[in-house]
Amino acid sequence: AQSVTQLDSQVPVFEEAPVELRCNYSSSVSVYLFWYVQYPNQGLQLLLKYLSGSTLVKGINGFEAEFNKSQTSFHLRKPSVHISDTAEYFCAVTKGASGGSYIPTFGRGTSLIVHP
Amino acid sequence: DAGVTQSPTHLIKTRGQQVTLRCSPKSGHDTVSWYQQALGQGPQFIFQYYEEEERQRGNFPDRFSGHQFPNYSSELNVNALLLGDSALYLCASTGGALRRPNYGYTFGSGTRLTVV
Repeated sequence: AQSVTQLDSQVPVFEEAPVELRCNYSSSVSVYLFWYVQYPNQGLQLLLKYLSGSTLVKGINGFEAEFNKSQTSFHLRKPSVHISDTAEYFCAVTKGASGGSYIPTFGRGTSLIVHP
Repeated sequence: DAGVTQSPTHLIKTRGQQVTLRCSPKSGHDTVSWYQQALGQGPQFIFQYYEEEERQRGNFPDRFSGHQFPNYSSELNVNALLLGDSALYLCASTGGALRRPNYGYTFGSGTRLTVV
């Protein structure tokens, strides 16, 4: 089975500063990795995904993430955040090309708080 | 293009009662999953429906049951409600998840269930 650990429950940052939200995964098989964002009182929206190929993945709203197989990580980054990026961010994992389950397993979430 | 639609948006029930939540998947999607998101937690997988059958189930008791209709819409039923069932219930849809790699789910905004 796959699992995900989001290392920070809350990340405060000032507007226009860079940010990194950390995610580590555990799996005995190849994986697909995802980042979702949840704004208050809303469902989850897919930010980006890693399926295969280039380890640097670009998503919506200026976010990007890098898949690091040796460190089993998939950290989310943005070079300059805006107030509107304040939200809950979830890392998720499913099986890859073989083995395991296609059902996404989610981390506990990281609350990104952007201060003016 | 309508996304995933859930109803109702909010619901208050008393312990011991039964509740039914409804979900219409995104157009073109045939697979529906249900998640429970407790306050401050990541979504926890309840079950997934495809071709009107429950295909996979998470670690939830039999009090949680579901149904999928020929038009792919779905219901989540919870019997004998407990205070601990208070949560945001999310419906997510995708296309043919069992037969193709998961390219990301589309989530609804959820139903906020409060059990008193």
